[in-house]
Amino acid sequence: DQQVKQNSPSLSVQEGRISILNCDYTNSMFDYFLWYKKYPAEGPTFLISISSIKDKNEDGRFTVFLNKSAKHLSLHIVPSQPGDSAVYFCAATPTSNTGKLIFGQGTTLQVKP
Amino acid sequence: KAGVTQTPRYLIKTRGQQVTLSCSPISGHRSVSWYQQTPGQGLQFLFEYFSETQRNKGNFPGRFSGRQFSNSRSEMNVSTLELGDSALYLCASSVTGGTGELFFGEGSRLTVL
Repeated sequence: DQQVKQNSPSLSVQEGRISILNCDYTNSMFDYFLWYKKYPAEGPTFLISISSIKDKNEDGRFTVFLNKSAKHLSLHIVPSQPGDSAVYFCAATPTSNTGKLIFGQGTTLQVKP
Repeated sequence: KAGVTQTPRYLIKTRGQQVTLSCSPISGHRSVSWYQQTPGQGLQFLFEYFSETQRNKGNFPGRFSGRQFSNSRSEMNVSTLELGDSALYLCASSVTGGTGELFFGEGSRLTVL
C-alpha cells in the first residue's frame, strides 16, 4: 500500500524554466510533508517542508504547495538550474517529532542547459 | 561538524549469511533511523532508535534488527540474507526526530549473491 505516490518517474525541463514535481498521499493523518533531494552516491538532503496548517512555504527558488482536500502537494523550482538535476523524494509523516517518514518513489529531474 | 557516517560503504554477501551495518550520527543527535532503498521502491522505513530504545518500526521481517548504543551510534543487522535484501541502506539522524528534518549518511550498499 503506497501511501505517498510520485506518479512521474522523470521530468525534463530547460534551464531557467519552472520545474513542478508532484506528490499525492492517501493517509489523512499525515500532518507534515517534506521534500528531499538526492544526488548519485550521496544520501538524501533536506530541501523544504510544510505543515498541514499551511498551504504554501517558500525558500528561495523552492516553493512547496499543499492542497489538503486533494491530498496533493507540489514542489516548484524557479528558475531551474542544471545543478538541480537530481532525484526528488516527497515524504510525509503524521507528526513532526519522528524519524519515521513515508517516502514516495522519487522523481528524477533533469535540467538541460 | 561531521556528518552522518556509515560503514561499510559497500559490501557483498551470499545468501544465508548475515550482515551488520554501522551508523555514527551527527554529534548531539539522539535519534537514528534506518531506511532501505531499492530501485522503484523509494525509501522504506526500517526502524528508529532514540536514547537506546526502538521508538518506531517499519514493516520488515524479524530478520532485520537494530540497536543503539549509549553514545547514539547505531547498528542494524540482517540475518539469513536473501537476494531481495540487496539495496542501499541509509541511516539518518536528528536531534530528537523533531521537525522531520533528517540528516542522511551516504549509505551502505549491500549486494547479496
